[in-house]
Amino acid sequence: ILNVEQSPQSLHVQEGDSTNFTCSFPSSNFYALHWYRWETAKSPEALFVMTLNGDEKKKGRISATLNTKEGYSYLYIKGSQPEDSATYLCAFIESGGYNKLIFGAGTRLAVHP
Amino acid sequence: SQTIHQWPATLVQPVGSPLSLECTVEGTSNPNLYWYRQAAGRGLQLLFYSVGIGQISSEVPQNLSASRPQDRQFILSSKKLLLSDSGFYLCAWVGDRGGETQYFGPGTRLLVL
Repeated sequence: ILNVEQSPQSLHVQEGDSTNFTCSFPSSNFYALHWYRWETAKSPEALFVMTLNGDEKKKGRISATLNTKEGYSYLYIKGSQPEDSATYLCAFIESGGYNKLIFGAGTRLAVHP
Repeated sequence: SQTIHQWPATLVQPVGSPLSLECTVEGTSNPNLYWYRQAAGRGLQLLFYSVGIGQISSEVPQNLSASRPQDRQFILSSKKLLLSDSGFYLCAWVGDRGGETQYFGPGTRLLVL
């Protein structure tokens, strides 16, 4: 059974703080690692699709890194804003896996003004 | 542009009643289609995926079934609902080239009483 773990489970920060989360995944048979942002009552919104070891991607104040050899990815948010409050999901795709996403349980971020 | 629809948005059903949730995709052809569920207090779990008409793969044993009668239509069903079927159901699609972002529908919240 493939296991994708995210930490921390939840995080409370003040507006302006920078923060980061971790996603751990199997280091064998890697195909892709996805990050999603999920707000309550909405559908998950894609942030990044990462496929190569050493990938670094950035979208505004959010960035992510990927280490496929050791099986982890970090998501960073610089200068958190209240609108960043959401659950951040990572999902692993195994090679030959028909793009099936294996999700972690998510990190719930709350940014307080 | 591609869009994905799900209905109904919310559903309250008694235990033992049947279920039919529908997902349709527009603006693409031959997509891979997926059903995910988030049960209370848990992460997103893949239930079924389909790579073509009539082709369904089940990821976890359960009380549900899926069908794909048309290229862009994916249906989730049950003959008799259980309390444990309550949750938030998401349909998603990805193009058949692989490694691309999965796009999620708006979801259906199901409450079984």
